[in-house]
Amino acid sequence: NAGVTQTPKFRILKIGQSMTLQCTQDMNHNYMYWYRQDPGMGLKLIYYSVGAGITDKGEVPNGYNVSRSTTEDFPLRLELAAPSQTSVYFCASSSGDPPYEQYFGPGTRLTVT
Amino acid sequence: AQSVTQPDIHITVSEGASLELRCNYSYGATPYLFWYVQSPGQGLQLLLKYFSGDTLVQGIKGFEAEFKRSQSSFNLRKPSVHWSDAAEYFCAVGAATGRRALTFGSGTRLQVQP
Repeated sequence: NAGVTQTPKFRILKIGQSMTLQCTQDMNHNYMYWYRQDPGMGLKLIYYSVGAGITDKGEVPNGYNVSRSTTEDFPLRLELAAPSQTSVYFCASSSGDPPYEQYFGPGTRLTVT
Repeated sequence: AQSVTQPDIHITVSEGASLELRCNYSYGATPYLFWYVQSPGQGLQLLLKYFSGDTLVQGIKGFEAEFKRSQSSFNLRKPSVHWSDAAEYFCAVGAATGRRALTFGSGTRLQVQP
């Protein structure tokens, strides 16, 4: 009963490095999302996907890229990491049907120094 | 654009006391409303949801919430709080069109005193 899985759980990056955060869901959901959570704030949408091959920007996409080659996987790529990208990243998925509830992964805590 | 306001950043209650967490939303159509809970270092778990029907909805762990359209509110309640309820609580509103992403409030941190 995996649901949404994310790897890694923790990562420390140096400024300018790149990395990919992995997200996989086993619920055959079409909709997938990446959020970031900063201290004292709610979650902000980075990118989303409505199906394999279809992605679009959310509220805070700068510095990130995504791809969706399969229904199950939705990796998030950070290019040229900056301290402002220090955050907790959550992946979520949804069937896209009412009531549109989303299921969240456990998160990745990223520190850029 | 939709938005969510959680006026209380931090609330402390005694174990066994009742709890009400406030949530106000802004959305042009019938909203889809959610409460999620986040324990320290964990992901978000869905407590309950509202999308139609009875305005009083029951969730897991003994929580309930009431949708009041006239007040644009969706407050979360629990009659008797347990120490294990200490966590951060997020209210969210969802859209039925487009990306169907959730808009979250900034959260309310609940502390439970013994």
